[in-house]
Amino acid sequence: AQSVAQPEDQVNVAEGNPLTVKCTYSVSGNPYLFWYVQYPNRGLQFLLKYITGDNLVKGSYGFEAEFNKSQTSFHLKKPSALVSDSALYFCAVRDRNSGNTPLVFGKGTRLSVIA
Amino acid sequence: DVKVTQSSRYLVKRTGEKVFLECVQDMDHENMFWYRQDPGLGLRLIYFSYDVKMKEKGDIPEGYSVSREKKERFSLILESASTNQTSMYLCASSLRGGPLYNEQFFGPGTRLTVL
Repeated sequence: AQSVAQPEDQVNVAEGNPLTVKCTYSVSGNPYLFWYVQYPNRGLQFLLKYITGDNLVKGSYGFEAEFNKSQTSFHLKKPSALVSDSALYFCAVRDRNSGNTPLVFGKGTRLSVIA
Repeated sequence: DVKVTQSSRYLVKRTGEKVFLECVQDMDHENMFWYRQDPGLGLRLIYFSYDVKMKEKGDIPEGYSVSREKKERFSLILESASTNQTSMYLCASSLRGGPLYNEQFFGPGTRLTVL
């Protein structure tokens, strides 16, 4: 079975400081990993994904994520947070061996960037 | 750009009414999905479809049905709406063929209130 955990419901960070939103996953094989962002009253927007190769993945709006196989983690990071980054962030996973199955999403982490 | 549209942004219905939520995508995607989003519970998959006239139950199909008569359109039906179906409903689509790391594209969501 596939699953994703986002251990923090809420992350608060000061504008200009680095931010990290945590995600750990569980799959039987190797994963494809995704991050999405949801702004208020909007659908989810794709940020970035890990497929294979370089463990550091760069995405939209200056975000990046680091795949760590030994820790089964895929934490989202940004060197300098902006107030406009305040949103709900979702991590998702699909097992490469699972066939054409839907993504499995975590419960989301609300990021608040304070000016 | 992929566009996924949902028929209503906000909807208010009464208990017992039959409710139709419509979703249309314009990128010829084979896969379509319906999720509901509730605070603290994240995204939960209701139904998905791999092709026209095909449907698969997700994690919480009870009280819902779906219809996919055309490739671009996926409808979610609440046969007899109840107050516990008050939620944000998100539609998504993705390619079926090719690599399994294809991301899902989301619509803006429909916020349904059942009184």
